[in-house]
Amino acid sequence: NAGVTQTPKFRVLKTGQSMTLLCAQDMNHEYMYWYRQDPGMGLRLIHYSVGEGTTAKGEVPDGYNVSRLKKQNFLLGLESAAPSQTSVYFCASSPGFSYEQYFGPGTRLTVT
Amino acid sequence: QQQVKQSPQSLIVQKGGISIINCAYENTAFDYFPWYQQFPGKGPALLIAIRPDVSEKKEGRFTISFNKSAKQFSLHIMDSQPGDSATYFCAANAGNNRKLIWGLGTSLAVNP
Repeated sequence: NAGVTQTPKFRVLKTGQSMTLLCAQDMNHEYMYWYRQDPGMGLRLIHYSVGEGTTAKGEVPDGYNVSRLKKQNFLLGLESAAPSQTSVYFCASSPGFSYEQYFGPGTRLTVT
Repeated sequence: QQQVKQSPQSLIVQKGGISIINCAYENTAFDYFPWYQQFPGKGPALLIAIRPDVSEKKEGRFTISFNKSAKQFSLHIMDSQPGDSATYFCAANAGNNRKLIWGLGTSLAVNP
């Protein structure tokens, strides 16, 4: 099993550009999450999903959109990137029978 | 509003010593308290977790101590090793949607 994978690993965007981050999990997990990690700020939840076709806002959702059309994939979109969105983005998934979250390797995004 | 407060922000320990990281929470409805370990360039991974009906849980050199009345829990790393050098996050579960409330992290360095 590959676990949780994230694409791409690195990306540089110019202000105003758009992009989509892909998260895929092969563990048949119900729950999926998108976090951003910034120095000294810990992990902040952007959006999450409790099952295929569902999404919900987390702590810092502004400027991001998500979709979960397939159970194994959770997409994070930036419609108009801003320098404040420079961060490391982590995707995580969790099974229905456990609270444990399994994290991907992260995507380092720089917006100039 | 930080619902899980973690301290210290950074910690330096000599090899063989005991590392102690503390967390305090406010919401008495929290029902699951994990500790995650994160190495540079990697996603966090579950280290050990505890439920509020237990006062202590030990897994190898890692122990969680839980004080329900004080609303505090701590991670103890016995016989700390240089390979334990990482960032440690405490968290608490906040409901049926499996959202974790995270501490801000502790950067641990174990000197050889």
